[in-house]
Amino acid sequence: DAGITQSPRHKVTETGTPVTLRCHQTENHRYMYWYRQDPGHGLRLIHYSYGVKDTDKGEVSDGYSVSRSKTEDFLLTLESATSSQTSVYFCAISGQNGVADTQYFGPGTRLTVL
Amino acid sequence: AQSVTQLDSQVPVFEEAPVELRCNYSSSVSVYLFWYVQYPNQGLQLLLKYLSGSTLVKGINGFEAEFNKSQTSFHLRKPSVHISDTAEYFCAVRVGSNDYKLSFGAGTTVTVRA
Repeated sequence: DAGITQSPRHKVTETGTPVTLRCHQTENHRYMYWYRQDPGHGLRLIHYSYGVKDTDKGEVSDGYSVSRSKTEDFLLTLESATSSQTSVYFCAISGQNGVADTQYFGPGTRLTVL
Repeated sequence: AQSVTQLDSQVPVFEEAPVELRCNYSSSVSVYLFWYVQYPNQGLQLLLKYLSGSTLVKGINGFEAEFNKSQTSFHLRKPSVHISDTAEYFCAVRVGSNDYKLSFGAGTTVTVRA
């Protein structure tokens, strides 16, 4: 257990509504990541952070934004949810003590957009 | 962008039989390689990783993998599987020491039958 939690764990929402997912870590890892998991695609990187207020886009960033105002928390926001964003979302962390070679994953958030 | 190919999407296997999961990647530079396991309704857990050194890597739960640079492969093996090994397995690659992002394969579902 790498001390990483995600909230909520399950969410059902309607098309067009904003949604924010939270990732919280207690291990002081520098890097944080948001992935989505869809059948046949494995995990795809949405956004990542390499420090407080330092973020960048991944391969599937359209329709998503992120914020990191403190080391422990990395927020993923869907400004206006669409049915194509129905997925399981995973947060990951790495970079404790400056060693970024392994990513540790949270338990996931299952999001359904109706 | 990195490409990771897991050659089998589904692998059925009988209990106590051996299993091999194949993974190939596309890169002409040094890579770090990982295998993760995902049990039903859970997050991803690191099985093993190759960073440098011996090309045969041993991981948790009796799994091992061999890095073959000439064939750009990192196949995962277990000599005798248990029912509890039923899960989805992901191969991932990170390029070089300055890029901490992972690219994942699409995953291989292993189903162990009695």
